[in-house]
Amino acid sequence: RKEVEQDPGPFNVPEGATVAFNCTYSNSASQSFFWYRQDCRKEPKLLMSVYSSGNEDGRFTAQLNRASQYISLLIRDSKLSDSATYLCVVATLGGYQKVTFGIGTKLQVIP
Amino acid sequence: DGGITQSPKYLFRKEGQNVTLSCEQNLNHDAMYWYRQDPGQGLRLIYYSQIVNDFQKGDIAEGYSVSREKKESFPLTVTSAQKNPTAFYLCASSPGTGFSGANVLTFGAGSRLTVL
Repeated sequence: RKEVEQDPGPFNVPEGATVAFNCTYSNSASQSFFWYRQDCRKEPKLLMSVYSSGNEDGRFTAQLNRASQYISLLIRDSKLSDSATYLCVVATLGGYQKVTFGIGTKLQVIP
Repeated sequence: DGGITQSPKYLFRKEGQNVTLSCEQNLNHDAMYWYRQDPGQGLRLIYYSQIVNDFQKGDIAEGYSVSREKKESFPLTVTSAQKNPTAFYLCASSPGTGFSGANVLTFGAGSRLTVL
């Protein structure tokens, strides 16, 4: 089983739709969780950290479910500019912290 | 503006040649990292450095070498021993190596290496 698993997609959704991605992780000792956004042939950029209580930033909501070992990202009112690949990132404390990236979920918002 | 500068953006290499990718940051971050990204795979850690003159192997260090002589610089050399070097290489930095909401990775724009 991969340490961090994501559905690679693509998820094709119309503008204005709500879309949700999940990411599962295998190590129950994982400490920190993030969502990064990566545009085609560009570098990843931090979208948001994921806190135990969940967090929201405008149209984006991230949640953590430690019992089931997954994190989620919800995008409401999708915009064309949301089209990108969304990377799930999990950090585990173990000496020097180990960071594992998922392969990313590709989102295509269509007009 | 503070950030991470990687060069060159695109690089072509013949088999058997060593190449060096540059990474410079002006964020005053202590930790720096090199990742490799291949299609269908997550980013994989090549090397990381917590402080000047110290660095550690990541998951796929074979065929690569690094140095950290200055805080702001962390160049990566792809040697001829790397069997499949064609990839997108990303340099990153963070204030420290303890990841938290306030201590996240910032990436450079990447260097795309193609071996001919």
